[in-house]
Amino acid sequence: DIQLTQSPSFLSASIGDRVTITCRASQGISSYLAWYQQKPGKAPKLLIHAASTLQSGVPSRFSGSGSGTEFTLTISSLQPEDFATYYCQQLNIYPLTFGGGTKLEIK
Amino acid sequence: EVQLVETGGGLIQPGGSLRLSCAASGFSVSRNYMNWVRQAPGKGLEWVSVFYGGGSTYYSDSVKGRFTISRDNSKNTLYLQMNSLRTEDTAVYYCARGPDFWTGTLDYFDYWGQGTLVTVSS
Repeated sequence: DIQLTQSPSFLSASIGDRVTITCRASQGISSYLAWYQQKPGKAPKLLIHAASTLQSGVPSRFSGSGSGTEFTLTISSLQPEDFATYYCQQLNIYPLTFGGGTKLEIK
Repeated sequence: EVQLVETGGGLIQPGGSLRLSCAASGFSVSRNYMNWVRQAPGKGLEWVSVFYGGGSTYYSDSVKGRFTISRDNSKNTLYLQMNSLRTEDTAVYYCARGPDFWTGTLDYFDYWGQGTLVTVSS
C-alpha cells in the first residue's frame, strides 16, 4: 500500500500568515493527489485535485503543487475559517489512502 | 443540487451485520465512481470501497471479504453491507462521489454525505 506522510501533524499560525503543508508518498503517484479540509463534526471538503487544480468555489488563497512523491498545499493568507484539519489523498493505486492529517490551529 | 444522505448506522454487537444506505439526488449513481470512507472517533480518514460506473468494485484490505458495496440504480442509492463486524469497524461512515465514470478517471471525491455512525460494541 502507498503510505502518505503529512508534515507537520500540528501547525499553529496567525491570521494573515502563509502556511505550507507537505505530503510525501512512499512511491510515485504521478499527480493523482487531492487535498481536503475537514472541520469538527463535518464531512471533508475537496480543495485541490490532480495535485494543483483548484476545485470550483474554493478561494484562490489555496494552492497545490508537486508530482511524483512530494506535494504541498499552501494557504497564502490565513483567514479565520481556514482553521481546520487538512488531509491529502492518493488516487493512483488501490487501495486509495489518506495522509494522517494536519491540524491547523490559531496561534 | 447534489446531495448524499447516509442512513443505517447504529449500535451493533461484534460479529453482527449492518447495511448502510446512501441516497443520492441531483445526479445518477450509475454514472459516477461512488465510494465509502470511514473515520474512527478522533482519527483520520480511511477509504473503504469504490463502485465503478461500469460495475467493478474495490475494497481496502481491512474490509475485504466482510463488506460488500452495491447500488440500486432505480432507487439512486449506494449500499454497504457490513458483515462479521469488529470493534475496530467503529467509525463514522461517509459516502463520497467521484467523477463521472464515462468521462474521467477517479481523481477526487467532490461531494460527501454527512456521515452515519456505526458503533460495534458488546
